[in-house]
Amino acid sequence: GAVVSQHPSWVICKSGTSVKIECRSLDFQATTMFWYRQFPKQSLMLMATSNEGSKATYEQGVEKDKFLINHASLTLSTLTVTSAHPEDSSFYICSARGVAGGTDTQYFGPGTRLTVL
Amino acid sequence: GQSLEQPSEVTAVEGAIVQINCTYQTSGFYGLSWYQQHDGGAPTFLSYNALDGLEETGRFSSFLSRSDSYGYLLLQELQMKDSASYFCAVRDVLLSSGGYNKLIFGAGTRLAVHP
Repeated sequence: GAVVSQHPSWVICKSGTSVKIECRSLDFQATTMFWYRQFPKQSLMLMATSNEGSKATYEQGVEKDKFLINHASLTLSTLTVTSAHPEDSSFYICSARGVAGGTDTQYFGPGTRLTVL
Repeated sequence: GQSLEQPSEVTAVEGAIVQINCTYQTSGFYGLSWYQQHDGGAPTFLSYNALDGLEETGRFSSFLSRSDSYGYLLLQELQMKDSASYFCAVRDVLLSSGGYNKLIFGAGTRLAVHP
């Protein structure tokens, strides 16, 4: 089946630093990847949609200058949280568009837990 | 606006049957998906309904009624490992990204299965 990986799985950083999270589709090419944020016991909130070779599309209320997204290849998208602050601490999950059993769906990575001190 | 409503918590015993309902109100609709998420883990895809009716996959079934903007996930022969959060998600149209559908998630239903 389709596999999506994320790296790192968890990261702790100081306030004001930048953190890069990688999302890779391991056995398929993903023209579209999605970045979500999930706070404890809450739902997944879509932050942005990333298309290979073009600028990401951000959801309303998400600061594009703070959450930099790069989709450099068909298997890799990165999310950089710039000048992170404690309120950015969250579970960040990427997903990649793929097809399985004839169904066009999204496959999720294992997530990255970010803690900003 | 966009909204999906599902119960926040459901409790059941092993071997029982549980139905998790989801009603939605979205500007576009291209199908209803269900995902399972264990604590600390990523969501895993369970099922997808684009057309009205029942889809069965092993112990899990999913139903959709587009005229009622309603769907449900049915879990049979419950096992302890089924304790998790279950999210319904609607495929909406991403207008500014070549038309690819994005997913709008409900708040999730936390299922607790007891012996």
